[in-house]
Amino acid sequence: GQQVMQIPQYQHVQEGEDFTTYCNSSTTLSNIQWYKQRPGGHPVFLIQLVKSGEVKKQKRLTFQFGEAKKNSSLHITATQTTDVGTYFCAGFYGQNFVFGPGTRLSVLP
Amino acid sequence: NAGVMQNPRHLVRRRGQEARLRCSPMKGHSHVYWYRQLPEEGLKFMVYLQKENIIDESGMPKERFSAEFPKEGPSILRIQQVVRGDSAAYFCASSPPLAGDHEQYFGPGTRLTVT
Repeated sequence: GQQVMQIPQYQHVQEGEDFTTYCNSSTTLSNIQWYKQRPGGHPVFLIQLVKSGEVKKQKRLTFQFGEAKKNSSLHITATQTTDVGTYFCAGFYGQNFVFGPGTRLSVLP
Repeated sequence: NAGVMQNPRHLVRRRGQEARLRCSPMKGHSHVYWYRQLPEEGLKFMVYLQKENIIDESGMPKERFSAEFPKEGPSILRIQQVVRGDSAAYFCASSPPLAGDHEQYFGPGTRLTVT
């Protein structure tokens, strides 16, 4: 079946440092979505990428979709304490989504 | 426009009892997904439903678990004869009618504890 992997599992950064999480699929994706979940909260949709090689930006967040549509990345520039949480990618395989295990980000003030 | 609602938010059941989890999608949304999340882990897809139809239940355990989304009323995830291993957070998400590839709006989750 389809598998979605994410690395790293955990990341601790000092406030102001950059952060990147990577998502890899075992097979080609129709599209990929990214979600953020704060501790004790529920996942919140961040973005959807559809086209090969697509790059989207939201303020300090940059999302990329690989040329082969099998990998994606989320980069946060100059992290803030409000960025704390777990970031999940979710690959769409035609009927449902498969979520990656997430990258848990801690930001030290 | 109210968001996705789930109730109860917390549910405690003894082993062998039944658990019923409810999910009311956002207004205008006709697609519902159920996910299960263990502590410190990711979201595991369970089932995808449209009104009166189960579209994909490949993530549902074959026994004790069932889901429905009736024409009227909320979607229900039902767990019969619960065991300790069923303790988890159960999230539902809804998406608009053209979905499959639209963003999912998640509810606050139901945290099930089996004692």
